[in-house]
Amino acid sequence: ETGVTQTPRHLVMGMTNKKSLKCEQHLGHNAMYWYKQSAKKPLELMFVYSLEERVENNSVPSRFSPECPNSSHLFLHLHTLQPEDSALYLCASSHLTGLEEQYFGPGTRLTVL
Amino acid sequence: GDSVTQMEGPVTLSEEAFLTINCTYTATGYPSLFWYVQYPGEGLQLLLKATKADDKGSNKGFEATYRKETTSFHLEKGSVQVSDSAVYFCALMVLPGTASKLTFGTGTRLQVTL
Repeated sequence: ETGVTQTPRHLVMGMTNKKSLKCEQHLGHNAMYWYKQSAKKPLELMFVYSLEERVENNSVPSRFSPECPNSSHLFLHLHTLQPEDSALYLCASSHLTGLEEQYFGPGTRLTVL
Repeated sequence: GDSVTQMEGPVTLSEEAFLTINCTYTATGYPSLFWYVQYPGEGLQLLLKATKADDKGSNKGFEATYRKETTSFHLEKGSVQVSDSAVYFCALMVLPGTASKLTFGTGTRLQVTL
């Protein structure tokens, strides 16, 4: 498999559930990102990992918990979410050096009931 | 802070019409500029980019010129096709620290009809 993959593609969960989103990149990159895409809003950068260390956390609520066990995998653990957290969650990866293009996965469409 | 402003959509055009999607930006420093495209059900794909003033990015018939004096990076295509229907995002990136940081606009939906 090539590029950036995300699973699941669709997820429906209740506010008391715990679930995880998975992202995997097969591009040899060493930086990975989580974005939130909501209707009529700019993409919001949530987390950035560089060489498996978190380097950015844009005031994201603690009910979102990222994990980067290695440079190819990125998780977003979800617990006690709110309906307003319903959105498309996009993962991306890039090389670290210079102004490198980010490669995006297809996203996970999350609905919180 | 850094920001990107795009024209509101949706933009509806007939096939073979000329396309312009406006994008202006505010940034500290000297950003690189990008257009990404998102087809239905997919993630974002880089369409084109420009890294310094007066550079022109081009790909698949789309073009955009980095205009520092007007802080703009408008996307153009001379003759659109139905397959160009998608959401287009303008973005900027300033020199990164340890990883690249993209700032996106809200996106402009393009619908091309026969």
